[in-house]
Amino acid sequence: GAGVSQTPSNKVTEKGKYVELRCDPISGHTALYWYRQSLGQGPEFLIYFQGTGAADDSGLPNDRFFAVRPEGSVSTLKIQRTERGDSAVYLCASSLPGANVLTFGAGSRLTVL
Amino acid sequence: DQQVKQNSPSLSVQEGRISILNCDYTNSMFDYFLWYKKYPAEGPTFLISISSIKDKNEDGRFTVFLNKSAKHLSLHIVPSQPGDSAVYFCAASAKLRGANSKLTFGKGITLSVRP
Repeated sequence: GAGVSQTPSNKVTEKGKYVELRCDPISGHTALYWYRQSLGQGPEFLIYFQGTGAADDSGLPNDRFFAVRPEGSVSTLKIQRTERGDSAVYLCASSLPGANVLTFGAGSRLTVL
Repeated sequence: DQQVKQNSPSLSVQEGRISILNCDYTNSMFDYFLWYKKYPAEGPTFLISISSIKDKNEDGRFTVFLNKSAKHLSLHIVPSQPGDSAVYFCAASAKLRGANSKLTFGKGITLSVRP
């Protein structure tokens, strides 16, 4: 596709449940980023992939959060035992090798009840 | 600890006038700065950027100024239009040569342009 695609656009779940959020980056973009945006805040870095490997996962808040990119294209962010504080918009972005500018998707809004 | 600070949460200007959005940073390793614009229910979209080797970059109605000694940058929009009403994020990166690098964002400024 022409842009970064994220699914689902909205996800409502109950506390304690497991959630998967998917990101399909722009074709040819080897770098892929996950960010989280809480209400009234800017996007907060979670993890960055270069190809299939996580080059920087320093932003993952705890071990309930995990992300994969097995074939170097689509990525899945996985959240175990969700908590109400995980409620946010999860943004995915991608970029060309060595590029400064990231192109963002529309985000997945997660609500944990 | 906020490394990129946008201290004014909102700004309201009259259509046709200049909008000036400010941003401060604390990390002296940052060498590339970007502004993103965000409409509700959409992802941030890239607007304009500047490298630390420059002090000004202009693109149509948008100009970004960088003052490295003050660790301050600003985005000027002139003339402002109602369609510019959105949240504006300042972002910065400490880019390793030839490599990709994460962006660190500020909290954003909500700009309202009154017709």
